[in-house]
Amino acid sequence: NAGVTQTPKFRILKIGQSMTLQCTQDMNHNYMYWYRQDPGMGLKLIYYSVGAGITDKGEVPNGYNVSRSTTEDFPLRLELAAPSQTSVYFCASSPPGRSYNEQFFGPGTRLTVL
Amino acid sequence: GDSVTQMEGPVTLSEEAFLTINCTYTATGYPSLFWYVQYPGEGLQLLLKATKADDKGSNKGFEATYRKETTSFHLEKGSVQVSDSAVYFCALSKQAGTALIFGKGTTLSVSS
Repeated sequence: NAGVTQTPKFRILKIGQSMTLQCTQDMNHNYMYWYRQDPGMGLKLIYYSVGAGITDKGEVPNGYNVSRSTTEDFPLRLELAAPSQTSVYFCASSPPGRSYNEQFFGPGTRLTVL
Repeated sequence: GDSVTQMEGPVTLSEEAFLTINCTYTATGYPSLFWYVQYPGEGLQLLLKATKADDKGSNKGFEATYRKETTSFHLEKGSVQVSDSAVYFCALSKQAGTALIFGKGTTLSVSS
């Protein structure tokens, strides 16, 4: 199992550009999440999905969009990039059927918007 | 709302020293508690977890006990190594399919 994979690892965008951060998991997990990590802060939830075709907003969704057409993939779309979106982005997944919520994280994408 | 507070860092220790990183939480109900570790340039890895009061999570020499009476989940290790240098995050969760609520993280630096 590769676990949770993310591409790209690094990216520099100009203000107003768009991009898609890719996330794939091969563990057949129903739940998937996107977090952002700002310096000196914990992670904050952007969007999450409880299964294919179902997504919902987290704490900081503005400026982002997601889709979930398959169980494996959960891409995050940035439209009109702004400097405030400079951050490290982590995708995570978790299996259903547990009483606790252990999440498995990808290696992250470091995004800089200039 | 639910929240996690952990001690400010950085924490700087010599090899073989004793480590404590404090973590307290505020939550309704009965959350599960986690410690995640982030090594430089990497993603987060689950270090240990506890799912109910008085549970002790342990892994790689690290331990933490879920104390409901003090709403705490302090991380301890008896003898740290240089390879333990990383950022440690305390987190809570209510149920599957919901966000993990993270503390701000504590940076540990261990020197030989």
